[in-house]
Parts: sequence; structure tokens; C-alpha cells
Amino acid sequence: EVQLVESGGVLVQPGGSLRLSCAASDFTFSDYWMSWVRQAPGKGLQWVASIKRDGSEKYYVDSVKGRFTISRDNAKNSLYLQMNSLRVEDTAVYFCARGPLISYFDYWGQGTLVTVSS
Amino acid sequence: QSVLTQPPSASGTPGQKVTISCSGSNSNIGNNYIHWYQQVPGTAPKLLIYRDNQRPSGVPDRFSGSKSGTSASLAINGLQSEDEADYYCAAWDNILSAVDFGGGTKLTVL
Repeated sequence: EVQLVESGGVLVQPGGSLRLSCAASDFTFSDYWMSWVRQAPGKGLQWVASIKRDGSEKYYVDSVKGRFTISRDNAKNSLYLQMNSLRVEDTAVYFCARGPLISYFDYWGQGTLVTVSS
Repeated sequence: QSVLTQPPSASGTPGQKVTISCSGSNSNIGNNYIHWYQQVPGTAPKLLIYRDNQRPSGVPDRFSGSKSGTSASLAINGLQSEDEADYYCAAWDNILSAVDFGGGTKLTVL
């Protein structure tokens, strides 16, 4: 069964950095777009970033451009999100998600909580 | 403020039909597929409908999707208590080069 397991979420101070990881298993990782979607406490879903199967294309929501970097290692079946210059408003559960296309997500991880606070 | 507009809440009694709307523009729904997700609070979202009206395996046929122009709808027939959840629509946006999500609709089964 497809599995996506996120890790790396912690409490960090504003301005700090963090790297999230997502370990994928039981599917051919390199065949899929991979994305990060976040959900602030009590709020709705917000798409954060997506990366193409071979890593050649990357897309970001405007609010994280220049601060976050999505990457993948197909040899390790892993997805990453490097988060720099973190802001209080980045506080959220971050979900890793798989997509046959960039526009939708057929499997999701359970999420990892990132808290940005002083 | 979400790019795709959904009603914040909806409700129905067991056995009823409920419809949730999602309104957008030509840059998203009008020229791209719409997808729907179900999220029980405290859990990960689940894909419910993809490519406007396709159901993943395991999703009951009580759930159906439709689209017309820049609007889309999710219909739930024969409402059941386990359908109580938050529902989100989503679509690619050609202008933003981003995935737009609706603000979500909280469905209550009375």
C-alpha cells in the first residue's frame, strides 16, 4: 500500500530554518509529481509547492517564493521542503502528497506540525 | 481569501441529497480539471473526485462531481453519518501557476 511519512516538524523561532522530509514507499516514486500542502490550525488547505517527476519543474505559492525550496531524491524515494526565513504565519501541519498530475493529489501523508513562535 | 469559492457550511439528514458548490474563473475551473477532497478533522485529506467527475477506487458511487463553465458541484446522495467532514475543491490556475483550493465546506449530518 502506498505510504507517505513526513518528518522534521518542530517548534522554531521566527526567522529560523527547517527541513521537512517525506519518505515514500510501495510505488514508483519517480513516476509521480510530489507536493507539499499545509493547513494552519483551524483553517483550510493551502497548496505550498510541487515538483515534477524528474525534478525539472518546481512551482510555489507566492507567499513562500524565495524562502522555501522543494526538492526530491528519486534514488532515495524522498521528498524535501527546505524552509528558510520562517514566519509565524507558516505555522501549520504540512502534508506530503502524491499526484499523477500537478493539479491533484491521490495519496497523502499524515502530516507533520511546524510551529513558528518565539 | 481563497481563489475558489465554496459555502462555509452545508447540512442534511440521513438519506438526503446534498450538493456543495465551487465557483472559480476561466483561469482555473473554466479551463482545467476540478478535484474534490474529503477531510475528517484531525486526519489527512482523501481524494474524493478527480478530473471533474472521476471516482477513485473505493469511493462510493453516492459521491459524484459535475462542472459547467467556471463552476463545479459535488453531490452526495443517500447522505450517511460518516459523510460528516470538511470538503474542499481544487484546481490548477493558469495565471497563478498554482493549485487553488476552495475555502472548504463543513458538512453536518443532522
